[in-house]
Amino acid sequence: GQNIDQPTEMTATEGAIVQINCTYQTSGFNGLFWYQQHAGEAPTFLSYNVLDGLEEKGRFSSFLSRSKGYSYLLLKELQMKDSASYLCAVTDSNYQLIWGAGTKLIIKP
Amino acid sequence: NAGVTQTPKFRVLKTGQSMTLLCAQDMNHEYMYWYRQDPGMGLRLIYYSASEGTTDKGEVPNGYNVSRLKKQNFLLGLESAAPSQTSVYFCASSEAPGSSYEQYFGPGTRLTVT
Repeated sequence: GQNIDQPTEMTATEGAIVQINCTYQTSGFNGLFWYQQHAGEAPTFLSYNVLDGLEEKGRFSSFLSRSKGYSYLLLKELQMKDSASYLCAVTDSNYQLIWGAGTKLIIKP
Repeated sequence: NAGVTQTPKFRVLKTGQSMTLLCAQDMNHEYMYWYRQDPGMGLRLIYYSASEGTTDKGEVPNGYNVSRLKKQNFLLGLESAAPSQTSVYFCASSEAPGSSYEQYFGPGTRLTVT
């Protein structure tokens, strides 16, 4: 079966750094996406990784290791507005997106 | 440039009633998708469409039907609503899969079936 695992909830402090992990087992791999979803809103695209390594985009970075079936999203200099759910999604061999249940990130002052 | 829009935003149905959710996109995307999102679960694909006039089943198609008569519109129908279909429904669109083909989401429709 296909499976994406990520922690249900994490708490971090404003100004700090947090790493959200995602492990996956899918039939084939054609890329991994991270999306941000604020409560009551639609998911919005954050990053895409298809090759191993780190992709940096401002305060957000995403890492991929295809051999380990592992990715993480790194958020630096946390702000209160970063309180949201972070969704990991993997594209399988048929280019279908398989979604994790999301990690709810709570930022405390 | 409105992106992806959905109507209605909220709806309450009684068991057995029918309704249609409308999705429209103005980005000229080939692919369109319907998802449902339930608490504690990931987005689940109901149906998708790779081009005007074609549709394919996703992970949870039972109880739904779809149509894509125009490239910019994708309709999701519930013929006989059941309480298990209470959910938040998201429409999305994207370019054809290949490189970084991010999906753009509409604001969602919150449906309650009593």
